[in-house]
Amino acid sequence: GEDVEQSLFLSVREGDSSVINCTYTDSSSTYLYWYKQEPGAGLQLLTYIFSNMDMKQDQRLTVLLNKKDKHLSLRIADTQTGDSAIYFCAEDQGNSGNTPLVFGKGTRLSVIA
Amino acid sequence: EPEVTQTPSHQVTQMGQEVILRCVPISNHLYFYWYRQILGQKVEFLVSFYNNEISEKSEIFDDQFSVERPDGSNFTLKIRSTKLEDSAMYFCASNRRGYNEQFFGPGTRLTVL
Repeated sequence: GEDVEQSLFLSVREGDSSVINCTYTDSSSTYLYWYKQEPGAGLQLLTYIFSNMDMKQDQRLTVLLNKKDKHLSLRIADTQTGDSAIYFCAEDQGNSGNTPLVFGKGTRLSVIA
Repeated sequence: EPEVTQTPSHQVTQMGQEVILRCVPISNHLYFYWYRQILGQKVEFLVSFYNNEISEKSEIFDDQFSVERPDGSNFTLKIRSTKLEDSAMYFCASNRRGYNEQFFGPGTRLTVL
């Protein structure tokens, strides 16, 4: 079945770049997503990338997709303490617009001032 | 900015009791979902709903679960006879036709004693 894997923890210093990695298994995914979860809060959609793209940039966020290796990464430039959260990678299971998301376990990003 | 809302934020119940978790999806969205996250684990898909019927459900969504859209705004998840292992954060999500991005509510933390 589908599976999404992420490393569980990442610690960076304020001002440095953070890179959060994810691997997935479903080659039929249409979109891949990054969600952010702050303590006690819900899932905030950060960004997403269409599966036929290699890269997407959105302000401090850069998403890279290597479809051959089924590898997705999220780079946060100039990481701030407010970026401390859990980051979830997710893939959808098709393109019907009504497809479930499959999530990784999440990477806890700790930003050290 | 429109957002998905959920009530209550926290529900405590005794094992064997029925609970109803409520969600108000974003108003022009047509596709609705329930996910759950057991503490420290992945966010897991439960069920998707479109046009007043279930589109897809996971193995978790057994006969003790049901969903309903009782009116034009609410979307509910009912658990008929709660078990200890139903303790989790339950997230509602929605998206609109033609757009795959799912927007999540803040979640309801269900504690079964």
